[in-house]
Amino acid sequence: NAGVTQTPKFRILKIGQSMTLQCTQDMNHNYMYWYRQDPGMGLKLIYYSVGAGITDKGEVPNGYNVSRSTTEDFPLRLELAAPSQTSVYFCASSSPDRGSYEQYFGPGTRLTVT
Amino acid sequence: QKEVEQDPGPLSVPEGAIVSLNCTYSNSAFQYFMWYRQYSRKGPELLMYTYSSGNKEDGRFTAQVDKSSKYISLFIRDSQPSDSATYLCATQGGSEKLVFGKGTKLTVNP
Repeated sequence: NAGVTQTPKFRILKIGQSMTLQCTQDMNHNYMYWYRQDPGMGLKLIYYSVGAGITDKGEVPNGYNVSRSTTEDFPLRLELAAPSQTSVYFCASSSPDRGSYEQYFGPGTRLTVT
Repeated sequence: QKEVEQDPGPLSVPEGAIVSLNCTYSNSAFQYFMWYRQYSRKGPELLMYTYSSGNKEDGRFTAQVDKSSKYISLFIRDSQPSDSATYLCATQGGSEKLVFGKGTKLTVNP
């Protein structure tokens, strides 16, 4: 099992550009999450999904959008990138519906907006 | 009051030392407790996972939960330079989300 994979690993965007961060998991988890991590600030939840077709906002959703058309994939869309979106983005998945609350993380995407 | 509080450190110890990492939490409904290890420029990886109170041991690592004082700890025995990382505590209170501490950066010096 590859677990949770994310692409790209790194990206530099200009202000106002858009991009999609890809996330795929092969553990058949229904729940998926997007976090951002800034130095000294811990992990902040952006969006999450409890199953295909169902998404909900986390703590810091502004400037982002998500969709969940399959169990495996949970892409994160940045529209009109701003310098405040410079961060490291992590995708995670879990299976609390089966009693397993621990989350498994991908390797991250390091995004710089200039 | 934040749901999970964790001393950010940094913590620097000599190789072979016993390390104690700690978090406090505010919600007595929390039942599941986790420790994640995050190496520099990598994603968090699950290290320990405990349910309710008590101890759980895995090799050199021991996770301890004291629900009466809302305190969770991770002990590392015979610490190694390869243990140098940021350690995040996390807890889950019955919903689908986790609440994370901000992480403690640990350096083990050879």
